[in-house]
Amino acid sequence: SQQGEEDPQALSIQEGENATMNCSYKTSINNLQWYRQNSGRGLVHLILIRSNEREKHSGRLRVTLDTSKKSSSLLITASRAADTASYFCATDAGNNDMRFGAGTRLTVKP
Amino acid sequence: ETGVTQTPRHLVMGMTNKKSLKCEQHLGHNAMYWYKQSAKKPLELMFVYSLEERVENNSVPSRFSPECPNSSHLFLHLHTLQPEDSALYLCASSRDRFYEQYFGPGTRLTVT
Repeated sequence: SQQGEEDPQALSIQEGENATMNCSYKTSINNLQWYRQNSGRGLVHLILIRSNEREKHSGRLRVTLDTSKKSSSLLITASRAADTASYFCATDAGNNDMRFGAGTRLTVKP
Repeated sequence: ETGVTQTPRHLVMGMTNKKSLKCEQHLGHNAMYWYKQSAKKPLELMFVYSLEERVENNSVPSRFSPECPNSSHLFLHLHTLQPEDSALYLCASSRDRFYEQYFGPGTRLTVT
């Protein structure tokens, strides 16, 4: 069953702008992960943030986690056309395996 | 290259055919997964293997039959599929359960 839900479903921005995607979930989690998928390909792991962490950075990516609101956000700064992809959050509740959301489709226009 | 390979990349089969999807990981991981990805739907976890034992089966129809002969290989045997089974089937592996997963490129399956 689905756990994470991404918002918005689709996002279109210009190159150089920042992109923010959100993820909400329902149950307590051990960690939350963000993945990226180029069209018709496998998913690529981006960042894992644990339930006791509030923010993590990796290059142009910044992830925040608010366990009180059961939500997370993924920020991509200074976006590039190559960032065009679908982005998924996945939650690990500890007693079962990861559950993915339906994803946010990001389009970065050159 | 994530270290997880899947074959074939594309497969077209009739409803009466029997075929198998293969996944191989070269990462020394202990857990392997099958997912189904249909258009505009969340990724659906189908099966989980940990140390070659099946630990999760998410109410998947019996026309899908997984096999994990060793920790590096995972198969999905298909028989008498339905057109609604057409989807991208993704294999993934992780160091152990509950760690980040590494995905293969997927098999695009079309059932005619």
